[in-house]
Amino acid sequence: EAQVTQNPRYLITVTGKKLTVTCSQNMNHEYMSWYRQDPGLGLRQIYYSMNVEVTDKGDVPEGYKVSRKEKRNFPLILESPSPNQTSLYFCASSLSSGNTIYFGEGSWLTVV
Amino acid sequence: RKEVEQDPGPFNVPEGATVAFNCTYSNSASQSFFWYRQDCRKEPKLLMSVYSSGNEDGRFTAQLNRASQYISLLIRDSKLSDSATYLCVVNFYSGGYQKVTFGTGTKLQVIP
Repeated sequence: EAQVTQNPRYLITVTGKKLTVTCSQNMNHEYMSWYRQDPGLGLRQIYYSMNVEVTDKGDVPEGYKVSRKEKRNFPLILESPSPNQTSLYFCASSLSSGNTIYFGEGSWLTVV
Repeated sequence: RKEVEQDPGPFNVPEGATVAFNCTYSNSASQSFFWYRQDCRKEPKLLMSVYSSGNEDGRFTAQLNRASQYISLLIRDSKLSDSATYLCVVNFYSGGYQKVTFGTGTKLQVIP
């Protein structure tokens, strides 16, 4: 089954404790991205990757890092999480620019 | 002006009604357009792409007006199961750069 898988789905962590949210897609998609969704603000892009070893900042990259060492994986790293990073995070992928975007089920992150 | 704007609603309509949503975008060079549906606390899922000539999928019709820079979604014979938030997506890409922008969504509640 074609899908985007992200883990963990739910996480409560403390300020400053590094965490990684993994994302994997099995559709051989070139394009992957991370979004956060907050009430009233909609989906905002954090980082995106056009292909392996090619990443770029989205609209709200501060406090996040990403890497794209393999085509299928695109982890999101919070080196020192802060409470304002409490949000619902979605990983997404598409075949290439302009194509349909497929989302993972989302990761609820709470930083206390 | 926001890059992509939608009326947040909510639109409360009776079953069987016809409802229309608009979405305006600011980048006249945008190239592809989509409507996504998002159920509460779930990931967005593609409802339909929007083509220049307009397109229909069952009870759903999408249209693009490049001159006025808006896309629209028409839902006929509304069902209870249509209750969700509808997100418009505007995509611009050129060379190694891509900009995907989501609207904040329009909430639809279909009432028995």
